[in-house]
Amino acid sequence: QQQVKQSPQSLIVQKGGISIINCAYENTAFDYFPWYQQFPGKGPALLIAIRPDVSEKKEGRFTISFNKSAKQFSLHIMDSQPGDSATYFCAASRHGGSQGNLIFGKGTKLSVKP
Amino acid sequence: KAGVTQTPRYLIKTRGQQVTLSCSPISGHRSVSWYQQTPGQGLQFLFEYFSETQRNKGNFPGRFSGRQFSNSRSEMNVSTLELGDSALYLCASRTGTGASPSSFGPGTRLTVT
Repeated sequence: QQQVKQSPQSLIVQKGGISIINCAYENTAFDYFPWYQQFPGKGPALLIAIRPDVSEKKEGRFTISFNKSAKQFSLHIMDSQPGDSATYFCAASRHGGSQGNLIFGKGTKLSVKP
Repeated sequence: KAGVTQTPRYLIKTRGQQVTLSCSPISGHRSVSWYQQTPGQGLQFLFEYFSETQRNKGNFPGRFSGRQFSNSRSEMNVSTLELGDSALYLCASRTGTGASPSSFGPGTRLTVT
């Protein structure tokens, strides 16, 4: 049973455009939702994270939108750049992220065309 | 500050053998977690260690085990390797409480033939 569903599997965006990646979760006990960015040959790196007490969090060009009632959250990358081309993973965990067992989505491969 | 380091980076083993992978966390981080990454299953949690104690365990068979040393370095061991164990094994570290892993190591690419 996949607890975190991520879409789309791949995404092509023109430079300067907005990239949107969506995730949906099933377990209402999840209360911490991070996003990771992974470049080829590298491990994932934490990009931004949100807790369900807020509906949106912004850090630079990256914004997480969170809809608790729909059990969905999404990552928006504004003014997408070729350097943003990577695989993005959403994740979820319980206990505010205090435990290391993250449940990951299957990932979205983003390509930003110049 | 040096990041999470993992050794070796690449490993080829034969079915039935065992393997040990090593992870050195970021200085000051006391928690180490391990994940398996495959194209089909994605990233799956194996286990987490904090202060030399296993704090959490994922849904993997007992062939997968780990340990953590007093200097927070961690090792994971896979015994009786199967072809399906071929994967990228990632290690992540964090301070230990209330914080999601900020970054993972580059991983160890294990190929079982």
